[in-house]
Amino acid sequence: EDQVTQSPEALRLQEGESSSLNCSYTVSGLRGLFWYRQDPGKGPEFLFTLYSAGEEKEKERLKATLTKKESFLHITAPKPEDSATYLCAVLSYNTDKLIFGTGTRLQVFP
Amino acid sequence: GAVVSQHPSWVICKSGTSVKIECRSLDFQATTMFWYRQFPKQSLMLMATSNEGSKATYEQGVEKDKFLINHASLTLSTLTVTSAHPEDSSFYICSARTSGWADGEQYFGPGTRLTVT
Repeated sequence: EDQVTQSPEALRLQEGESSSLNCSYTVSGLRGLFWYRQDPGKGPEFLFTLYSAGEEKEKERLKATLTKKESFLHITAPKPEDSATYLCAVLSYNTDKLIFGTGTRLQVFP
Repeated sequence: GAVVSQHPSWVICKSGTSVKIECRSLDFQATTMFWYRQFPKQSLMLMATSNEGSKATYEQGVEKDKFLINHASLTLSTLTVTSAHPEDSSFYICSARTSGWADGEQYFGPGTRLTVT
């Protein structure tokens, strides 16, 4: 059964303190791994798609990487506006639907 | 990125009544739309998938007679919660994708908060 586990559940950072969020997955044939940002009371906002191990993508202070078993979302010198829940999801060849992890709630303090 | 809208953004209804939520793709034609619900501090749970002009495919455990989904056009899908009860109170989010996009890529609406009293 396809499964996604995110860690940590919550992360508190000081502004400027870089860190990484982890997404471990078990899937029968990975079609793609997706990162989303979700603010309270809003729908998820698309960040990145990764398709193969070794792939990396960057956007502003965020960088996503992918291995055969996990993905990392690196946040460099975060700002308070980066505070949100970050969701990871996988798409497998078995199903045509995204399987979401439970997310990491990030809080960045000034 | 592609834009998906939902209406209303929040709704309060009385137990036993029905409520309809609209999901629109504003700048693309959505061949597939998805409906999710999300409970506080939990992740998204897929309720159903619909392709334009076809009947929706519901996930296991989702009552198709209670959650009616209609994907009548390439830009509009609706979710009707029939005979709503307090346990149906939740955050409902739609998403959409179209053929020709990168595999699996889909965009989400802003969500609709439903409160049943």
